[in-house]
Amino acid sequence: NAGVTQTPKFRVLKTGQSMTLLCAQDMNHEYMYWYRQDPGMGLRLIHYSVGEGTTAKGEVPDGYNVSRLKKQNFLLGLESAAPSQTSVYFCASSYHRVAGANVLTFGAGSRLTVL
Amino acid sequence: SQKIEQNSEALNIQEGKTATLTCNYTNYSPAYLQWYRQDPGRGPVFLLLIRENEKEKRKERLKVTFDTTLKQSLFHITASQPADSATYLCALDAASGGGADGLTFGKGTHLIIQP
Repeated sequence: NAGVTQTPKFRVLKTGQSMTLLCAQDMNHEYMYWYRQDPGMGLRLIHYSVGEGTTAKGEVPDGYNVSRLKKQNFLLGLESAAPSQTSVYFCASSYHRVAGANVLTFGAGSRLTVL
Repeated sequence: SQKIEQNSEALNIQEGKTATLTCNYTNYSPAYLQWYRQDPGRGPVFLLLIRENEKEKRKERLKVTFDTTLKQSLFHITASQPADSATYLCALDAASGGGADGLTFGKGTHLIIQP
């Protein structure tokens, strides 16, 4: 039972470079999320997806793009990295809920440094 | 705007005592309030949730209270142990059914249990 797996765990980029973070979950969850965590700012939602082929903006979407081509995968892309995007990125997933709480399962995080 | 406040200072507690963490919120009407634990270098892990119509919830040494009038949740760890040292995040879950737009997290309280 892998849960939520993020790759890579660490990455260093130069300003202007592009990269993609991959999130994979094996729990058959409908919903998937990308958060970033910065010191003093807490977790902030970047983008999320309610199912295969769908995506939506969260609180801080600028500078990021996402895709959900397969139910188990959620990709986060940075087209032109900026130092302000230096952060720890967390992917999370949860079941579709008709009623009830939205409990998230998180990955271990991907630490990105943009020089 | 919506605001969630948790003790920003680290909380130092003697082993064996009860640790109490506070989560206050404004401009929000959560259907649920959730608590997560985060260890250094890892993703948050779900601990406990409480519904808006519940006053108290318990799980082993953990207890959560929820006062929607005061807009406050208290998270208690009884008989605390050094292994309880971590950062604890509260999260507000607004959707009472069908929602998938993620949780809104507080910045977390760093708890240190001293032997």
